[in-house]
Amino acid sequence: EDQVTQSPEALRLQEGESSSLNCSYTVSGLRGLFWYRQDPGKGPEFLFTLYSAGEEKEKERLKATLTKKESFLHITAPKPEDSATYLCAVIQGAQKLVFGQGTRLTINP
Amino acid sequence: GAVVSQHPSWVICKSGTSVKIECRSLDFQATTMFWYRQFPKQSLMLMATSNEGSKATYEQGVEKDKFLINHASLTLSTLTVTSAHPEDSSFYICSATSGRGTDTQYFGPGTRLTVL
Repeated sequence: EDQVTQSPEALRLQEGESSSLNCSYTVSGLRGLFWYRQDPGKGPEFLFTLYSAGEEKEKERLKATLTKKESFLHITAPKPEDSATYLCAVIQGAQKLVFGQGTRLTINP
Repeated sequence: GAVVSQHPSWVICKSGTSVKIECRSLDFQATTMFWYRQFPKQSLMLMATSNEGSKATYEQGVEKDKFLINHASLTLSTLTVTSAHPEDSSFYICSATSGRGTDTQYFGPGTRLTVL
């Protein structure tokens, strides 16, 4: 069965302290890996889609990378407004998204 | 682009009543819409997938008679929680995809349902 595991569950950083979030997946024939950001009480906000190993995408302080077994979301010099839960998901079957449990990121000023 | 709205953003109802939640794609035509449920500090769980003009496909364990889904147009899907009970209290989120060569789902802001 397709599985998505995110680590760590929670991460506290100081403002400006760069780090990476991990998303490990097991899926037969990856068709797409997605990163979303979710703020408390809101729906997920789309960040990136990655389709093949070696692919990288960037947006402001975020950079997502993909290998055959995992994806990383690198956060460079984060700011307090980057605090959120970051969700990783893969496509299962036709269109179903299977989500990981998320990483709760807190950036302290 | 790719904006999805939901209405209402929160609703409180009495046990036994029905509640309807609307999901609209504002700037694109959504060939497929999805309904998720999220409990506190948990991830999203897919409830059902609906294509415009077709019956929804429900995930295992989701009662189709309790959670009625209508996808009447390419920009609107509705979820009706019938005979709601306190255990139905949750955060309901819809998403939509245009299906034009992309699987990216864009999510609405969510609806907080509290059943008393």
